[in-house]
Amino acid sequence: GQNIDQPTEMTATEGAIVQINCTYQTSGFNGLFWYQQHAGEAPTFLSYNVLDGLEEKGRFSSFLSRSKGYSYLLLKELQMKDSASYLCAVREWDQGGKLIFGQGTELSVKP
Amino acid sequence: KAGVTQTPRYLIKTRGQQVTLSCSPISGHRSVSWYQQTPGQGLQFLFEYFSETQRNKGNFPGRFSGRQFSNSRSEMNVSTLELGDSALYLCASSLGGSSTDTQYFGPGTRLTVL
Repeated sequence: GQNIDQPTEMTATEGAIVQINCTYQTSGFNGLFWYQQHAGEAPTFLSYNVLDGLEEKGRFSSFLSRSKGYSYLLLKELQMKDSASYLCAVREWDQGGKLIFGQGTELSVKP
Repeated sequence: KAGVTQTPRYLIKTRGQQVTLSCSPISGHRSVSWYQQTPGQGLQFLFEYFSETQRNKGNFPGRFSGRQFSNSRSEMNVSTLELGDSALYLCASSLGGSSTDTQYFGPGTRLTVL
């Protein structure tokens, strides 16, 4: 079956670094996405990993280990506007555009 | 380039009614996927349309249906509404030709069933 796990909530301080983990179990892995969703808004694309390793994009980085079924999103130099829900989503082989989402991690950034 | 648009943004219906939601993808995108988002279940996949054909379907009852037009715009219909159908309905578009395509989400339609 399919299972994607993320922590429900996290709190961090402005200017700090936070790591949001995601573990997954799927039938045939074909890529992992991270989205950010502010309350009342649409999810916005942050990153995509299909090969093992780290993808860096400004203050945001995402890491993937396919053998461990594990990914993390790293946010550096946290800002208040980073307070949002972070969604991990997996795509499987032969499933077209279908994404399987985790429940999301609600990140609160405190001053 | 304009993003994904969804209409209406808000809807209030009563049990037993039916509803149609609309999604216009990003220009050039041929795939449209629909998701239901609730506090308890998170984001759940409903179905995907590509070139006017349903390419994939999630585990929702037959009351949920959709279609895609030749201009890639998509509609989703829910018949015989139930209280549990209250949710944010999101559509996402992508180019659709590759499994690495990124999906871009619209703002959603907030459906409330009374």
